[in-house]
Amino acid sequence: EIVLTQSPATLSVSPGETATLSCRASQSVRSNLAWYQQKPGQAPRLLIYGASTRPSIIPARFSGSGSGTDFTLIISSLQSEDFAVYFCQQYANWPSLTFGGGTKVEIK
Amino acid sequence: QVQLVQSGAEVKQPGASVKISCKASGYTFTTSYIHWLRQAPGQGLEWIGMFNPSSGSTSSSQKVQGRVTMTGDTSTNTVDMELTGLTSGDTATYYCASGYGYADYWGQGTLVTVSS
Repeated sequence: EIVLTQSPATLSVSPGETATLSCRASQSVRSNLAWYQQKPGQAPRLLIYGASTRPSIIPARFSGSGSGTDFTLIISSLQSEDFAVYFCQQYANWPSLTFGGGTKVEIK
Repeated sequence: QVQLVQSGAEVKQPGASVKISCKASGYTFTTSYIHWLRQAPGQGLEWIGMFNPSSGSTSSSQKVQGRVTMTGDTSTNTVDMELTGLTSGDTATYYCASGYGYADYWGQGTLVTVSS
């Protein structure tokens, strides 16, 4: 099973600043990585797929990068609605999907 | 617009079974897989299994294999997921989600509580 490790577990950021989240895979997943945002009491929302592709409805301040084992999600100019938990997910060995443990982005 | 609507919350006793439904709309049902995932309170996301509405084929995680059954009905655009032999460890919010490798759209979630 491919294990995804996210860091940090919690990130304290002030509104307007940039948040940088990391996701590391135990083996190469190529570019088969997605990022999701989850707010309390809500289902996750897809932010990024293919490591760096953003669905059209997702604001441009969310950007993803990386390939192989190391991936990054950057949230620029954090808005109040961006404070949430973020998960990465690999689909390299589909149909088995695995998720990282999550990073909580909180207000500093 | 794409919507996945799940059935309501359930409370079950240990050893019982639960069946959750997921009704899809807003897209061609047979063109996208339906994944089932769960999230224990305060925890991360766990993939349970996948149903292919086009062929009826399924795949499930080793953790729940043998206890999970997924079925679909193309006339109602609905996928059901049944989990048997429930334990307290199965207490979680269960989600259906459409997509192939990644989940484009998610249902609202169904809370399943296993308690005596």
